Parts: sequence; structure tokens; C-alpha cells
Amino acid sequence: DVKVTQSSRYLVKRTGEKVFLECVQDMDHENMFWYRQDPGLGLRLIYFSYDVKMKEKGDIPEGYSVSREKKERFSLILESASTNQTSMYLCASSFLEGRYSNQPQHFGDGTRLSIL
Amino acid sequence: AQKVTQAQTEISVVEKEDVTLDCVYETRDTTYYLFWYKQPPSGELVFLIRRNSFDEQNEISGRYSWNFQKSTSSFNFTITASQVVDSAVYFCALSELKTSYDKVIFGPGTSLSVIP
Repeated sequence: DVKVTQSSRYLVKRTGEKVFLECVQDMDHENMFWYRQDPGLGLRLIYFSYDVKMKEKGDIPEGYSVSREKKERFSLILESASTNQTSMYLCASSFLEGRYSNQPQHFGDGTRLSIL
Repeated sequence: AQKVTQAQTEISVVEKEDVTLDCVYETRDTTYYLFWYKQPPSGELVFLIRRNSFDEQNEISGRYSWNFQKSTSSFNFTITASQVVDSAVYFCALSELKTSYDKVIFGPGTSLSVIP
């Protein structure tokens, strides 16, 4: 079974702090994603990576950055945390089969981040 | 523009009742994929089904069935003889084949409560 592991289930940080959310997958997937989930809005894509050191902005990248130094690990960074970044953050990965494979994404358990 | 609508925000049913979750999508492309995911209280989204736009055949998997109708741009999900373990948030999602990466647009989700 695919396993996507997020480093923390719950995290509390203060405004202005630099926050790191870590995600590791064990299935050698090329694609990795970071979403945030807010009530009534579903999941919104923050950043995406299709290969090591490659990244693409999603729909709401402002205030975030990402790092992918190894294939299995994708980190989300909040450069200077703000209260409006309080949310559930979900990491996902998928297999890239061909140019446009649209394979199902496999998700971690999520990190519930509170910014005080 | 892509859009996924799940008009039912919350549904409550009594155990053993059948329940249908509605999903309506918008896309200008003729080639696309549709997905359903389940998010139980534990938080991890679980992939349920993927359907491509050329395959309108309905699918049944145990108590789950899906009705794909291109004419009405709908991809509805029915649970027969619901059980308490079906209580979760269910997301419908759309992915167009022509995007530069496997971008998925999620609907806002429907929260299903099955009461014993």
C-alpha cells in the first residue's frame, strides 16, 4: 500500500514564525502536492512538484514556498506565518504514467496547523 | 473554466437507507477524468473511483455505485444500505487531460452522517 506520511498531525505556531511541514511518500511517485482544506472550500492546491527540484505554483501559492531535494520528500514552508494560514494541510502523491496520466492521488493524514 | 459543484453540504440518513451524493462539473474539454474520494474522521482522503470522459458506463462496487451522465455533466455516487462506517466527507473531483500537470479540482465536499 502507498504510504504518505506527514510529520505532524497537529501544530501550533505563532504569527511571524517560519513553519516547515514535511511529507514523505514510500512509493517512488513522481508527483507530489500540497493542498489546504478549509470548510466549504474543499481542497485548494498550493504547490505541486513533478520531479526533484521542480515545482509549480498551484491556485494559492502566496505566502508559501516548497522544497523537493529528494524524490520521496516534499516540504511546505510558511515563510512568515499569519493567522489566515490556520488550516488543515494535506500532502498527496501520484504516479506519473505518460505525459497526462491523471492517476489517483494518495493522501497523508493531514496536519492541522493553528497560527496564534 | 473548471468547476465542481456538490450542492449537498450535509446529509444525514438512518443506517440501511440508500443515499445519493450529487456532483455536477463544468469543463470545456472533451477529455477529462472524474474522481470520488472519501475523507473519514481520521483525515486521510481515500481514493474511491476514477472515470474518464469516454467511459459512460455506470460502475458498481459492492454497496457503492456511480452514475456518470455526460448530457447533464453529472457524476453521482450512491451508497446502498448505508452503514455507520460510511460516515465521512465525500469529495468529487475533476482533472482535465490537457493541463501541464495532474491538476485536480475538488468540489467543496458533502458531509454524510449515518445514524445507527
